[in-house]
Amino acid sequence: DAGVTQSPTHLIKTRGQQVTLRCSPISGHKSVSWYQQVLGQGPQFIFQYYEKEERGRGNFPDRFSARQFPNYSSELNVNALLLGDSALYLCASSLGPSSYNEQFFGPGTRLTVL
Amino acid sequence: GENVEQHPSTLSVQEGDSAVIKCTYSDSASNYFPWYKQELGKRPQLIIDIRSNVGEKKDQRIAVTLNKTAKHFSLHITETQPEDSAVYFCAAWGGGADGLTFGKGTHLIIQP
Repeated sequence: DAGVTQSPTHLIKTRGQQVTLRCSPISGHKSVSWYQQVLGQGPQFIFQYYEKEERGRGNFPDRFSARQFPNYSSELNVNALLLGDSALYLCASSLGPSSYNEQFFGPGTRLTVL
Repeated sequence: GENVEQHPSTLSVQEGDSAVIKCTYSDSASNYFPWYKQELGKRPQLIIDIRSNVGEKKDQRIAVTLNKTAKHFSLHITETQPEDSAVYFCAAWGGGADGLTFGKGTHLIIQP
C-alpha cells in the first residue's frame, strides 16, 4: 500500500523564479495539506484542500497558491521565490479535512533558493 | 491563532532510562494532539496521538498524557533504545484552525 508521494525530491531555483511541487495522497484520502519546514523548526501550515476546495490557509503571502485535482492529487506553487523560501515542503494526506482525521506525511521536497 | 511551546529543545538520556517531552498550547478549543518522530532527512511519522476526551494513552513503551485545564500534554518514552534517537514534534489542532500547529521540536539523544 503506497504512502504519500511527492515530486521532485530536490529542487534548486534562483530568486524571482517560480516553482511547482506535486503531491499524491494515500489511496482513499480526499484531503491534502501543505506544510513548510525550515531547517531546525517544526512544520508550518500553508494550505489544506478537500474535495478540490481550499479549506484553510496559514499565514503565508499570496505568492503561495495551491490546487487539488479530481484524483485528489495536489500542486503547490510559489511565485517570485525569495531566499527565505528555502525549506522542506511537506504534503500530508488524510481521509477528511477536520482534526478528527490523522495526517500522514510524504517524504517532502527540499527546495533551495539561491 | 494556536501557539504551541515545546520543551526541552535537546534531551540527552542514558539508554534504558525514561524520556519526557512537554508541550503547552494556547487555544482551549484544540481537541487533537499528535506526536511525530522525524529522523534526519526523513518524513515526520505519527507515533501516538490523543484527543481531548482522553487523559492518557499508551502504546508499548510510549505514552501521552493530556491536562486540558492546564493546557499541556507530554510524551513519555520508557526503556529508551538507540533507535529512539530523533527529533520529536508535538502538535495541536482544533477549534477554528485548519491545520496542525507544531512545536519547535525536541532533539532526543540516547547515550549508549
